Amino acid sequence: NAGVMQNPRHLVRRRGQEARLRCSPMKGHSHVYWYRQLPEEGLKFMVYLQKENIIDESGMPKERFSAEFPKEGPSILRIQQVVRGDSAAYFCASSPLRQKNTEAFFGQGTRLTVV
Amino acid sequence: DQQVKQNSPSLSVQEGRISILNCDYTNSMFDYFLWYKKYPAEGPTFLISISSIKDKNEDGRFTVFLNKSAKHLSLHIVPSQPGDSAVYFCAARDDKIIFGKGTRLHILP
Repeated sequence: NAGVMQNPRHLVRRRGQEARLRCSPMKGHSHVYWYRQLPEEGLKFMVYLQKENIIDESGMPKERFSAEFPKEGPSILRIQQVVRGDSAAYFCASSPLRQKNTEAFFGQGTRLTVV
Repeated sequence: DQQVKQNSPSLSVQEGRISILNCDYTNSMFDYFLWYKKYPAEGPTFLISISSIKDKNEDGRFTVFLNKSAKHLSLHIVPSQPGDSAVYFCAARDDKIIFGKGTRLHILP
């Protein structure tokens, strides 16, 4: 049973380019969460999605960032016109249910470097 | 405003001794808590959880204690082993998972 798969593992973008990060949840999981970890910082919540729905995007920056989780295919976190401050590790997690007494399982992350 | 706080950025413990990692939270509505372990360049790995209806949950060398009145939980690792050196995140489950900033645990030989 494959775990949460994120790709690419490493992504280098020049300032002003777009970054697209993909996350395939564990089999049977329909809930996806995106987190960002800046160097020497904790894990900051960005967005929570269910298939075709955004449940909570309270942690998403207002501009340049968007996320989707289509009916078919992986969840995508998109960052437009990247800036140096977007350099971070981005982690995706998935869970099978919306229940509060369940854990979520994380992928290995995508390390974005903006040059 | 931090809802989950880990006030010790780092902790060093001798191999074989007990490691105690602490965590405080501010929202009394939280009723499910988790600990994750993270190695460099890897994703967080789920370690152990506890529901607010319990005050203790044990899994092998790992025990989590919950004190609801103090809004405090702790993770005990005994005996500590070299492979336990990692960053440990305390978290509370809402619709999302809210993490503390983590405590870096060093197990000394």
